Amino acid sequence: DAKTTQPTSMDCAEGRAANLPCNHSTISGNEYVYWYRQIHSQGPQYIIHGLKNNETNEMASLIITEDRKSSTLILPHATLRDTAVYYCIVRPRDDKIIFGKGTRLHILP
Amino acid sequence: DAGVIQSPRHEVTEMGQEVTLRCKPISGHNSLFWYRQTMMRGLELLIYFNNNVPIDDSGMPEDRFSAKMPNASFSTLKIQPSEPRDSAVYFCASSWGTGENGYTFGSGTRLTVV
Repeated sequence: DAKTTQPTSMDCAEGRAANLPCNHSTISGNEYVYWYRQIHSQGPQYIIHGLKNNETNEMASLIITEDRKSSTLILPHATLRDTAVYYCIVRPRDDKIIFGKGTRLHILP
Repeated sequence: DAGVIQSPRHEVTEMGQEVTLRCKPISGHNSLFWYRQTMMRGLELLIYFNNNVPIDDSGMPEDRFSAKMPNASFSTLKIQPSEPRDSAVYFCASSWGTGENGYTFGSGTRLTVV
């Protein structure tokens, strides 16, 4: 059973902010939202995670709605190197990671 | 830090042969995960270890697959005998604890069984 719903693909112009949505309406109180990405021919890469507060690091920002039923990953200034499949995952912190199908993000020059 | 190291990067073998994939986790990490990726099934968790002990092997497809972690710095995934449907990219990942702050993945081994 997929715990998250993501669009299959998205396009974003280079230099613009890429906003990737994720729905997780059945998220439990102890489950975190994690984001990973996979660039072609590479292993997945951890981006960011959060519980209920918005989070920011050097790669991205994570905005979680107040009801925690959805979130958005923001890449503030997308570059061609950000073209990848982005996975939104919900899990308790001490549980294994199960990947869904993710969103294929194309950054357009 | 060299990251998670997997070998070989590519493996081509004939059906029926034994295949061994290797993984060296990041020093200090005490959890290790084996994933398999195909176009049809995406990324699947096969097995994971914590402190060298297998914790969950429910994703291992069948008895032809086995995984070991003899020490904190080395793990193997073995397929015997291999079949064409085992062709996939196999990823190893490691983390501290249960990966609250994320897993680090290796570059993968692309296995082709002909």
